[in-house]
Amino acid sequence: EIVMTQSPGTLSVSPGERATLSCRASQSISNNLAWYQQKPGQAPRLLIYGASTRATGIPARFSGSGSGTEFTLTISSLQSEDFAVYYCQQYNSWPLTFGGGTKVEIK
Amino acid sequence: QLQLQESGPGLVWPSETLSLTCTVSGGSISSGDYWWGWIRQPPEKGLEWIGVIYYSGSTYYNPSLNSRVTISVDTSKNHFSLKLSSVTAADTALYYCARTYGNNWFDPWGPGTLVTVSS
Repeated sequence: EIVMTQSPGTLSVSPGERATLSCRASQSISNNLAWYQQKPGQAPRLLIYGASTRATGIPARFSGSGSGTEFTLTISSLQSEDFAVYYCQQYNSWPLTFGGGTKVEIK
Repeated sequence: QLQLQESGPGLVWPSETLSLTCTVSGGSISSGDYWWGWIRQPPEKGLEWIGVIYYSGSTYYNPSLNSRVTISVDTSKNHFSLKLSSVTAADTALYYCARTYGNNWFDPWGPGTLVTVSS
């Protein structure tokens, strides 16, 4: 099983600032990685797939990068609606696995 | 716009079988491009993939749950179902259904349903 490790666990950021979230895979997953955003009381929402392709309707301030074992989600200028928990997920091999999440909170 | 909705009992007795259904609207579950999956999230914890099914009935399950999980599909009702047997308190979670493109990422998701295992 591929273990996905996200860091940091919590990120405190001021509105308008840049946020950088990391996701590491225990073995190479090529670019078979997705990112999700989850707000309290809501289901996760797909942000990024293929490590860097934004899903339909996702603002351009969200960007993904990386390949192999190291991946990054960047939010270029945090808006109030971006404070949430973010998860990465690998789909390179079974079983599909998720990272433990990074909570982005208001500083 | 495709929508998914989970339904089923919110309370299950220990050692019994958890049964949930995901009803798909705004699209056909028989679309050949997609599989359909279940994911769960224990309270205040992360996400765990349970398994997926294709409209033909082909399935893949998480090995950690494999012996207890059954996912089935009913194309005539445009829904798919989850059964998890011999549940314990550790199976208490929000259960989500979602569409997956080619067994990859999940989009969209249902709103989720909380299942509590307790006597």
